[in-house]
Amino acid sequence: RKEVEQDPGPFNVPEGATVAFNCTYSNSASQSFFWYRQDCRKEPKLLMSVYSSGNEDGRFTAQLNRASQYISLLIRDSKLSDSATYLCVVTFNNAGNMLTFGGGTRLMVKP
Amino acid sequence: DTGVSQDPRHKITKRGQNVTFRCDPISEHNRLYWYRQTLGQGPEFLTYFQNEAQLEKSRLLSDRFSAERPKGSFSTLEIQRTEQGDSAMYLCASSFFLNTGELFFGEGSRLTVL
Repeated sequence: RKEVEQDPGPFNVPEGATVAFNCTYSNSASQSFFWYRQDCRKEPKLLMSVYSSGNEDGRFTAQLNRASQYISLLIRDSKLSDSATYLCVVTFNNAGNMLTFGGGTRLMVKP
Repeated sequence: DTGVSQDPRHKITKRGQNVTFRCDPISEHNRLYWYRQTLGQGPEFLTYFQNEAQLEKSRLLSDRFSAERPKGSFSTLEIQRTEQGDSAMYLCASSFFLNTGELFFGEGSRLTVL
């Protein structure tokens, strides 16, 4: 089983839709959580950190459920420019500062 | 451009040859990471340095893979006796010591082994 798992998608949604991605992690010795975004043929970039209390950044909301070991990302009012792959990232207490990436979920927003 | 730079951007080689990739991190960053990414997958951690010290290398894929950061600035990743399965994008990233969440990635070095 992979340490960080995501549904690869693709999620095809119309502009203006709300879409949610989940990510599960297998190691309970988890420390920090993040969402990265990777555009086609580009490098990954940090989208947002995920805090225990949940956090929001504009149209993006991240939630953490430690008991169930999953992280979610909600995108409201989807834009064409949101089309990308969203990578769930976890660091584990027993692995120093190694950021472990999930396989990514591909989102395609259509007009 | 003061971002992370990688060289070469593309490398095509024949099976059995050695290849070396170079990464120049953002100058004030003291942590440097190497990841590998294949099509449709997320980046896979290989190794990382804090200054010149290699703090984690157990995830290097085999003993054919090695990395150095001799002066705590640029880094090289070498793959000896390349195999077709080594074909992938090799990503370098850097970060501040105290910031464990945001990695700044370079554009990657794409390796094709024929």
